[in-house]
Amino acid sequence: QPVLTQSSSASASLGSSVKLTCTLNSGHSSYIIAWHQQQPGKAPRYLMKLERSGSYNKGSGVPDRFSGSSSGADRYLTISNLQSEDEADYYCETWDSNTQVFGGGTKLTVL
Amino acid sequence: EVQLLESGGGLVQPGGSLRLSCAASGFTFSSYAMSWVRQAPGKGLEWVSAISGSGGTTYYADSLKGRFTISRDNSKNTLYLQMNSLRAEDTAVYYCAKEDSYSGCDDAFDIWGQGTMVTVSS
Repeated sequence: QPVLTQSSSASASLGSSVKLTCTLNSGHSSYIIAWHQQQPGKAPRYLMKLERSGSYNKGSGVPDRFSGSSSGADRYLTISNLQSEDEADYYCETWDSNTQVFGGGTKLTVL
Repeated sequence: EVQLLESGGGLVQPGGSLRLSCAASGFTFSSYAMSWVRQAPGKGLEWVSAISGSGGTTYYADSLKGRFTISRDNSKNTLYLQMNSLRAEDTAVYYCAKEDSYSGCDDAFDIWGQGTMVTVSS
């Protein structure tokens, strides 16, 4: 079964960039993942699907400031020109034959 | 507009039962697998259960041990979660989510509902 590991927290300044990491466990490094954003008190929102190649497909209405990339078992979400509304929890997700799996989430603070 | 609207949450005593509903609109409901995902207070997201577009295949998290049953009525564009033998640790916001595939556990969630709160307490 795939396991996703995320740092519990990250912070960056308003207007800067931040790169969040989601790491797949051994034997699952080729898996596609998705990134979701959850702003405080709100439901999650789908951001993008990200392949091992680094190719990504964003959801409707997701700003250009959000991008994805990959390296080995690591999947990245980069947010450029950070805005106050980007302060949120970010979850990665993947799936296998009979399960869906979430990472523990990264709480992003915009300073 | 694609939309998922959950209902049925509330306060229930330990050992009790509750049925959640999720009304879908704006897409061909029967063409997509659907899931329930929960989030305990202050915690992360936890996948609960999934069902294929036809309703013929279901999947469950191992931790549920047969207490929950997922179903769907494609004629009503509605997803359900029957929860029995509820425990305090089932207290959470329950979200329904649309999967970008037909079969289930085969792709990402691309649409989320707003959630419904379930509190299990005496």
